[in-house]
Amino acid sequence: KNEVEQSPQNLTAQEGEFITINCSYSVGISALHWLQQHPGGGIVSLFMLSSGKKKHGRLIATINIQEKHSSLHITASHPRDSAVYICAVRLSTSGSRLTFGEGTQLTVNP
Amino acid sequence: GAVVSQHPSWVICKSGTSVKIECRSLDFQATTMFWYRQFPKQSLMLMATSNEGSKATYEQGVEKDKFLINHASLTLSTLTVTSAHPEDSSFYICSATAGLGYGYTFGSGTRLTVV
Repeated sequence: KNEVEQSPQNLTAQEGEFITINCSYSVGISALHWLQQHPGGGIVSLFMLSSGKKKHGRLIATINIQEKHSSLHITASHPRDSAVYICAVRLSTSGSRLTFGEGTQLTVNP
Repeated sequence: GAVVSQHPSWVICKSGTSVKIECRSLDFQATTMFWYRQFPKQSLMLMATSNEGSKATYEQGVEKDKFLINHASLTLSTLTVTSAHPEDSSFYICSATAGLGYGYTFGSGTRLTVV
């Protein structure tokens, strides 16, 4: 079983829809990251969370430490949001290395 | 924001030659750099972790004599694929952090094709 599980693996939405991507982890962490990987391969860090909720534009990320669960929400989705979204955690016991989920391929159709 | 510049973005080389990939942190000191390999439709696979001025720590199964990593300064790390073979063809990407409590900044990646 992976230490970091994401769902869904694939998600197709219509422009304007509200999108949620979920991430569950099974071990103690010091931080959780949401990353976005575009078709060209480049990766952008969206959020770093250790508690609560963060918002940036149309993106919202939440984390529940007790339940070991995080969600990434996209409001008013747009075709340019199409990308792979990756949840990654820094384990309490692994120093600075990240452990990655398998990623969620999001496609937003116009 | 923090920027990591990775070069080249793509490279084609002949079997048996060596290829060097550079990652530079442009506006912060990268105390730790990570090198990843990614196969199509798969997640990132950590190859090695390097701290400035120290030898890199390689993940199990990664040949350190084949994938040479140098992190000689707080702003530059290099990955050299030695005696490249077609099976080394892949997408390689680096990331850097200024330390615990800081985020991670990724390079734009290098697509290596060995012919």
